[in-house]
Formats: sequence, C-alpha cells, structure tokens
Amino acid sequence: QSALTQPASVSGSPGQSITISCTGTSSDVGGYNYVSWYQQHPGKAPKLMIYDVSNRPSGVSNRFSGSKSGNTASLTISGLQAEDEADYYCSSYTSSSSYVFGTGTKVTVL
Amino acid sequence: QVQLVQSGAEVKKPGASVKVSCKASGYTFTGYYMHWVRQAPGQGLEWMGRINPNSGGTNYAQKFQGRVTMTRDTSISTAYMELSRLRSDDTAVYYCARRGPLVLYMDVWGKGTTVTVSS
Repeated sequence: QSALTQPASVSGSPGQSITISCTGTSSDVGGYNYVSWYQQHPGKAPKLMIYDVSNRPSGVSNRFSGSKSGNTASLTISGLQAEDEADYYCSSYTSSSSYVFGTGTKVTVL
Repeated sequence: QVQLVQSGAEVKKPGASVKVSCKASGYTFTGYYMHWVRQAPGQGLEWMGRINPNSGGTNYAQKFQGRVTMTRDTSISTAYMELSRLRSDDTAVYYCARRGPLVLYMDVWGKGTTVTVSS
C-alpha cells in the first residue's frame, strides 16, 4: 500500500487560509468516506482534527474543515494562527481493511 | 479521562525483539480496537496493524506480517506490540491509538515509545 500523496510544505500568513491536499486511489480515499486528518507538533503524538472526511471532534476549532472530491481529500485551515504551525497527516481506510497515511505536510505560519 | 500510557524507551541490537506496552484507562478497554502506528526519525506515520481487545483478533499490515505480534491482557487493560528480527530501519517512535467499534478513525493516542535498534 503506497502512502497517500501530500505536498511537503504549505505556508501562509496569520489570518490567511491554506489548503492541504491528500491524493490516493479508488482503493482508499476515493472508495470510502473514511478520511481523517491529524495534527502533529514536534515531539508530540498526533491529534485527530477531522474524521470521516469533514467531521470535527469536540474541541477542535471550526477553523479546520475537510472535504473530498474523487481520489483527493483536502484540509483547509482558515484564519491561520501561529499555533497551527505543525505537521499534518491524512489517513484513509482501504479496501484491504488496512489504513494508509499521507506523506505529511509541514505547515509554516509566516 | 481517557488515557493510553506506553512503556519506556528501548534500545535493542539487530536481530532482537522488542515488546511495547500500552495501558488504557478511563474507558472500557474491550470496547475499542487498539492500533499501532510507527514513525521513523524525520519520517511520516506508518500503520502497523490493530487488535480487537475483546476477541484478540488481529489484522496486520502486509509489510509486518510474520514479524509483528499484537496481544492484550484484559485483566490489566493493556495492549502489547512485539516486533521481532529487528533491523536498524525499525528505529522509530511506536504509538498505540484507540479506535471505536463503529468508526474508522483513531481518536486517542499514546505519547509514543522510542525504540532504537543499534549494534
């Protein structure tokens, strides 16, 4: 199972919006509405930010939103804040009853 | 509160085995799957497999088939991940993560266990 493809880095100024893409295949992202997104600060464990493509867990800011079109899912962070600077990973359930993660995207707040 | 507490860092020689533990608290251990995910230094996340603590049933990523064993001890709400025939590229932080029975995402993660494989 190959990793889902994400841009290596995305940057934006405070207050701006950024979007991170996550491209897979019809056997994972395109085949199921089971895409999740995780935020990871350096030296910390991943934190769930979005599940089932577009749902936010309790406690996660509504500045984070998710969507999907075909084999590509996206995470949008609006009103970018300094605390959003972190690595972000997408993940998808797959047709082989396994999970695959994305390659990861480093978000930099300028 | 829901918590997953993992065992401490390990240093192993190539060819050895390592067993990492993950103790759950704050919820019904047998009601949630436990997944294991690893992250090599400077690299991304990699799914290794999962165990159903209720039945003991497992599902391993193809890459780790034959080298990984996931078990649990329900009496102490603890899941284990054992990786054998260690190589230098197994050096990584190993995370356990909880997944609900009717959902397909991992909502609570342990802090990670660093495993270093070096001669």
